[in-house]
Amino acid sequence: SAVISQKPSRDICQRGTSLTIQCQVDSQVTMMFWYRQQPGQSLTLIATANQGSEATYESGFVIDKFPISRPNLTFSTLTVSNMSPEDSSIYLCSVGRDSSTYMYGYTFGSGTRLTVV
Amino acid sequence: LAKTTQPISMDSYEGQEVNITCSHNNIATNDYITWYQQFPSQGPRFIIQGYKTKVTNEVASLFIPADRKSSTLSLPRVSLSDTAVYYCLVAPSGGNTDKLIFGTGTRLQVFP
Repeated sequence: SAVISQKPSRDICQRGTSLTIQCQVDSQVTMMFWYRQQPGQSLTLIATANQGSEATYESGFVIDKFPISRPNLTFSTLTVSNMSPEDSSIYLCSVGRDSSTYMYGYTFGSGTRLTVV
Repeated sequence: LAKTTQPISMDSYEGQEVNITCSHNNIATNDYITWYQQFPSQGPRFIIQGYKTKVTNEVASLFIPADRKSSTLSLPRVSLSDTAVYYCLVAPSGGNTDKLIFGTGTRLQVFP
């Protein structure tokens, strides 16, 4: 299965600033997914990023707040803009199954723990 | 996408078998049932996937009845390191573009 490198692993940011999270995959993938996980909660899908097109956002998430880039088939970034303490959360990227190893499920990065003060 | 329902939490002791049941009444014909495990400070990790009957791998077994409206993840002889959150998901398989929607998960605590 794919290997994901997600950076930074954690950060403490001032309110009103922005943070860009990077997700690098060791193989080419069609779709990349961004999730948010608030403390003690399940994962919530933010958006789906397809290379060469605009990301598709889930209800409750907008591009102005969470702009996503997908410049190639191995890389994506998620920016959390104009942060407030309510944005404190863990942000994870994920990639879909490789078509030849679909039985092994999706792969997730280890997450970025964001604290906004 | 089919909604899943599973217990919020379960407790067990080392060496016991743990069975976590998930309900997915609205599962579609082309949906597969997939389980993920998540440890603190890590992303979810794929455990097992199945369509019907029984699937077994080196980590767990997955039992799916004929009507496929529920499934049971079985962890044999758990250890302290199996303490984690377990998520049941249903989604079409065979592709790599389907979004995964997570439910609440089951928080398993294993005691010595």
